[in-house]
Amino acid sequence: GAVVSQHPSWVICKSGTSVKIECRSLDFQATTMFWYRQFPKQSLMLMATSNEGSKATYEQGVEKDKFLINHASLTLSTLTVTSAHPEDSSFYICSAEGDPLAGPNEQFFGPGTRLTVL
Amino acid sequence: AQSVTQLDSHVSVSEGTPVLLRCNYSSSYSPSLFWYVQHPNKGLQLLLKYTSAATLVKGINGFEAEFKKSETSFHLTKPSAHMSDAAEYFCAINTGGFKTIFGAGTRLFVKA
Repeated sequence: GAVVSQHPSWVICKSGTSVKIECRSLDFQATTMFWYRQFPKQSLMLMATSNEGSKATYEQGVEKDKFLINHASLTLSTLTVTSAHPEDSSFYICSAEGDPLAGPNEQFFGPGTRLTVL
Repeated sequence: AQSVTQLDSHVSVSEGTPVLLRCNYSSSYSPSLFWYVQHPNKGLQLLLKYTSAATLVKGINGFEAEFKKSETSFHLTKPSAHMSDAAEYFCAINTGGFKTIFGAGTRLFVKA
């Protein structure tokens, strides 16, 4: 099946710094990529939807200046957490849609990135 | 509007016994339904999906699910649990053109 990678798998940073997380679709061109946030023992919360070459669509309550999303190519999307604070600590998961061999609306998920802000 | 409800926050079974994880959905349109499994600190892996073809869907690792429109259900089953099945399971729905909505998750515990 289609493979989506994320880098880094975990990151620890100081409060006030910015962190970039990469999401890549390795063997297909992703028409759409999604960014989710998952708190411990909770479900996935969609943060934003991004299409290559256009601005991301953010969900209500998600600060677009805080969580910068860039989707520069059909295989790469990045999420930058700007001026990170301890409350931004979470598990961030990306997914990608658009594999022509997959069914409609089928997303392929990355392995996730654990962000810890000290 | 679309939504999914996972009826159990956690399920505990003994190894070798059947597994039933329940999911009910609400949708104004014909839905695509998915079950995903998540192991600790990992991403989601697709177990199976329903996309308006056969109502009984077989997935990986011996899991299957049946789409029942009359009951608006898409329960996940497995005849015999294995220790490696212990994980978090998410039911999800998408009605074409809208975002995928995930259920709250069901934690499956498997006792030796």
